[in-house]
Amino acid sequence: QITLKESGPTLVKPTQTLTLTCTFSGFSLSTSGVGVGWIRQPPGKALEWLALIYWDDDKRYSPSLKSRLTITKDTSKNQVVLTMTNMDPVDTATYYCAHASGYGVYYYMDVWGKGTTVTVSS
Amino acid sequence: QSALTQPPSASGSPGQSVTISCTGTSSDVGGYNYVSWYQQHPGKAPKLMIYEVSKRPSGVPDRFSGSKSGNTASLTVSGLQAEDEADYYCSSYAGSNNRGYVFGTGTKVTVL
Repeated sequence: QITLKESGPTLVKPTQTLTLTCTFSGFSLSTSGVGVGWIRQPPGKALEWLALIYWDDDKRYSPSLKSRLTITKDTSKNQVVLTMTNMDPVDTATYYCAHASGYGVYYYMDVWGKGTTVTVSS
Repeated sequence: QSALTQPPSASGSPGQSVTISCTGTSSDVGGYNYVSWYQQHPGKAPKLMIYEVSKRPSGVPDRFSGSKSGNTASLTVSGLQAEDEADYYCSSYAGSNNRGYVFGTGTKVTVL
């Protein structure tokens, strides 16, 4: 059974850096065809794709946020970490991590964590 | 990177069908058969309902079906049930030119 759980601060101040950790079980991120993605959802708004790391350590970022995002994996710890710099109140959202399955460049998020809510406020 | 366009709302009575559209461009929906659909109930995480335009993951009822024509993908829910009332989001691969993936604006489905 695949499970994922997001963790990190619930409140960050503007200009600070947010670090979120996705701890997962039931799969290995060194297996071909596997990835982990991050998606966020501001209150009452739509989903927004942020980043995806593939089993071979290839990475993709949202073009609009690329300069602020870094995604890394620690296969031995079954964790994926997302950092977002220069946080702003508009970054207030629920942040989800998700297991991704696929091939080549196409992966779809097939199992999601429950999400963690992050508020940006001074 | 613009979001895919979905109607804000759709509705139908129990047993009826409802179809949700998802319009993009030739750089995303129209360029690849890589469209996914997600269902999200209030306060819950999204759930994958369709991937690669029309494939259903194990456990998803066959009342849910997907299709695509040109730059527009569609999700049809047949035989509407009360538990189908939720928000639905489409998503598409947006090309290897570092664009990654894009989600739709979301559609609230109401079962009358």
